[in-house]
Amino acid sequence: AQSVAQPEDQVNVAEGNPLTVKCTYSVSGNPYLFWYVQYPNRGLQFLLKYITGDNLVKGSYGFEAEFNKSQTSFHLKKPSALVSDSALYFCAVRAGNTGFQKLVFGTGTRLLVSP
Amino acid sequence: DAGVIQSPRHEVTEMGQEVTLRCKPISGHDYLFWYRQTMMRGLELLIYFNNNVPIDDSGMPEDRFSAKMPNASFSTLKIQPSEPRDSAVYFCASTRGVGADTQYFGPGTRLTVL
Repeated sequence: AQSVAQPEDQVNVAEGNPLTVKCTYSVSGNPYLFWYVQYPNRGLQFLLKYITGDNLVKGSYGFEAEFNKSQTSFHLKKPSALVSDSALYFCAVRAGNTGFQKLVFGTGTRLLVSP
Repeated sequence: DAGVIQSPRHEVTEMGQEVTLRCKPISGHDYLFWYRQTMMRGLELLIYFNNNVPIDDSGMPEDRFSAKMPNASFSTLKIQPSEPRDSAVYFCASTRGVGADTQYFGPGTRLTVL
């Protein structure tokens, strides 16, 4: 069975500094990996995904994530944080088998960017 | 496209009452999901449908919960009778079941059971 771990409940960073939100996963076979963001009182919004190919994936709002197979990680990064990036971030994984597979979400990491 | 639409956005009810949550998926999507989000348990998948057929309802907490999808553009999640511990935000999401299956979420229904 697949699983996702987000080891940090909250990440604090100053505006303009780089940010990293950590995610590690466990899945049989090749993973499909996702990051979603949730702003207050909103649904989850898709940020980016890794399926295959280049290990560095670029997504919305200047975010990127690096797939590291040996460390089974998929950390979310941004070179320069904005106050408006403050939100709840979810990592998710599914097995990359043929056919439909459910997404398994992590517990979420709250990002707080201070001015 | 308007995205996934959910109604109502907020629902306050008393214990024992029936609650019905509604969802309209994105047109052309053949998978529909119901999730529940609470502080204690995070985001839980309750049930999902493929082509209007329930595929996996193992996440439905108990018999008080039921979900239907009478056609490709409408689904309901019903709780009868409701209890205070059902208070949560309920999300509906949809996707096309090809490729990597990016799911698109609705804005959610915040349910409060008094």
